[in-house]
Amino acid sequence: DSGVTQTPKHLITATGQRVTLRCSPRSGDLSVYWYQQSLDQGLQFLIQYYNGEERAKGNILERFSAQQFPDLHSELNLSSLELGDSALYFCASSVGTSGLETQYFGPGTRLLVL
Amino acid sequence: GEDVEQSLFLSVREGDSSVINCTYTDSSSTYLYWYKQEPGAGLQLLTYIFSNMDMKQDQRLTVLLNKKDKHLSLRIADTQTGDSAIYFCAETENQGGKLIFGQGTELSVKP
Repeated sequence: DSGVTQTPKHLITATGQRVTLRCSPRSGDLSVYWYQQSLDQGLQFLIQYYNGEERAKGNILERFSAQQFPDLHSELNLSSLELGDSALYFCASSVGTSGLETQYFGPGTRLLVL
Repeated sequence: GEDVEQSLFLSVREGDSSVINCTYTDSSSTYLYWYKQEPGAGLQLLTYIFSNMDMKQDQRLTVLLNKKDKHLSLRIADTQTGDSAIYFCAETENQGGKLIFGQGTELSVKP
């Protein structure tokens, strides 16, 4: 158990809908990262937050957004869902943001868009 | 841009050693990581190596880093059926914390 929790574990929804994925980092970690794992794209970095502020952005679509709350949990919002958004979404956390700290991953949320 | 490459499959017999290879392009990588993903599960950190090291040993795991060739390998000694999983190599971007992952190597251990 990495100490990073994600809810829900599974999510099934329809095209055009909007969903929210939630992540709670390990105790004491200020950085939260979101990654998407799909069959065709592999594991890709989406976005990073540090202590409530957006720190880095990767291959995140405009239909996707995220935020980190004062209690440090984070939410990833996916809207106008398409079939291609079906993937495993991971959250990871680390102590800081320098790139030298280890990232610990949650169990992931498996999203299926029908 | 940064890129990390791995072979996709490796099959070994139980008790043999497994060697999973990875090449990367970003010469300014600070840490290089190995993660393990079992079916239906998340990513488990196995080990990491700092870019100024050549080798790191951690029980059955040995990581070798050749900075000149930008080649990283993970050796698993006495491979067990419980080691069957997908192994990802990852590097940190030179600034910031995002991880760049390889495609993953699926290790199959046959009894």
